[in-house]
Amino acid sequence: EAQVTQNPRYLITVTGKKLTVTCSQNMNHEYMSWYRQDPGLGLRQIYYSMNVEVTDKGDVPEGYKVSRKEKRNFPLILESPSPNQTSLYFCASSLISRGTGELFFGEGSRLTVL
Amino acid sequence: QKEVEQNSGPLSVPEGAIASLNCTYSDRGSQSFFWYRQYSGKSPELIMSIYSNGDKEDGRFTAQLNKASQYVSLLIRDSQPSDSATYLCAVNGVTGGGNKLTFGTGTQLKVEL
Repeated sequence: EAQVTQNPRYLITVTGKKLTVTCSQNMNHEYMSWYRQDPGLGLRQIYYSMNVEVTDKGDVPEGYKVSRKEKRNFPLILESPSPNQTSLYFCASSLISRGTGELFFGEGSRLTVL
Repeated sequence: QKEVEQNSGPLSVPEGAIASLNCTYSDRGSQSFFWYRQYSGKSPELIMSIYSNGDKEDGRFTAQLNKASQYVSLLIRDSQPSDSATYLCAVNGVTGGGNKLTFGTGTQLKVEL
């Protein structure tokens, strides 16, 4: 089954404790992206990757890091989480040949930073 | 001015009616336009993409694009209660080499029995 898998789905953590949200897709997609979704602000792009070892900032990259060492994986790293990073996070992927707008989304990871 | 604007709703329509969802965008060079559906507590799901001016139909859904007016819309015919969801408009702008997909904040649609 074609899917984008995120883990963990739910996480409560404390300020400053490093965490990683993993994302993996099994569709051989070149393009992967991370979004956060907040009430009234919609989906905002954090980082995206056009392919292995190619990453770029989205609209709200501050406080986040990413890496793309393998095509299927695109982890999101919060080195020192703060309460303003409490949000619902989505990983998404697409085939470059279909454009970067036809996204498959993971189920989301709800993060709470205390 | 927001890059992609949608009326947040809720838009309420009776079952069987046509629901009309609208979206405007600011980047005049945008080339690709998408509609996503998001059920409460779920992830967004692509339902329509449109790349050229005019109408594109897929089942009960019709996407309409007018680049001159910087306007894209989604029509849902014969609306069903299962269509109740938030509909997100997304636009691929010129910035970022066309790889930057910007979402509107969504319109909540309620289809009433």
